[in-house]
Amino acid sequence: SAVISQKPSRDICQRGTSLTIQCQVDSQVTMMFWYRQQPGQSLTLIATANQGSEATYESGFVIDKFPISRPNLTFSTLTVSNMSPEDSSIYLCSVGQGALNVLTFGAGSRLTVL
Amino acid sequence: GENVEQHPSTLSVQEGDSAVIKCTYSDSASNYFPWYKQELGKGPQLIIDIRSNVGEKKDQRIAVTLNKTAKHFSLHITETQPEDSAVYFCAAPIIQGAQKLVFGQGTRLTINP
Repeated sequence: SAVISQKPSRDICQRGTSLTIQCQVDSQVTMMFWYRQQPGQSLTLIATANQGSEATYESGFVIDKFPISRPNLTFSTLTVSNMSPEDSSIYLCSVGQGALNVLTFGAGSRLTVL
Repeated sequence: GENVEQHPSTLSVQEGDSAVIKCTYSDSASNYFPWYKQELGKGPQLIIDIRSNVGEKKDQRIAVTLNKTAKHFSLHITETQPEDSAVYFCAAPIIQGAQKLVFGQGTRLTINP
């Protein structure tokens, strides 16, 4: 399965600032996904990052708050903009492998907003 | 779209006993049901999955069963060990055939020595 590296692994941020999370995959993949996991909660899909086109956002998530880049088939970034304490979460990058819906996840980026 | 409900939210069993976690789904067209294990400080890891053309799948101490009529699937862990302690998530495709998943609420499994 693909190996996914996320940076930063954790960070403490000030309210009103923005932070960009990087996701690097060791193989080319068509689709990359960004999930949010709020403290003690389940995973919620934020958006699908497609190479060569704009990201597709799920209900409740907007591009202005979570801009995504996908410059090539192995890399993506998620920015959390104008952060508030409610944005304190683990943000997870994942990739799908083949047509079998098998998702592999990175270790996640734990953000704490003060 | 798909909705997944998972029970129980916490489960504590004695080492060596079995653990069962259950999930129900809403979309009868869903055809893929994975289970993920998340250890502290790590991302979720796929441990087993099942597709709608089979009713049961086993991998050593782990098994998953699927009841399409009742729209529920379950994770069974036998001969539990301390390293089985983790949070377990079930999932189903948000849209049939898509790689996007919707997750259950999670079950925190604790194995008592």
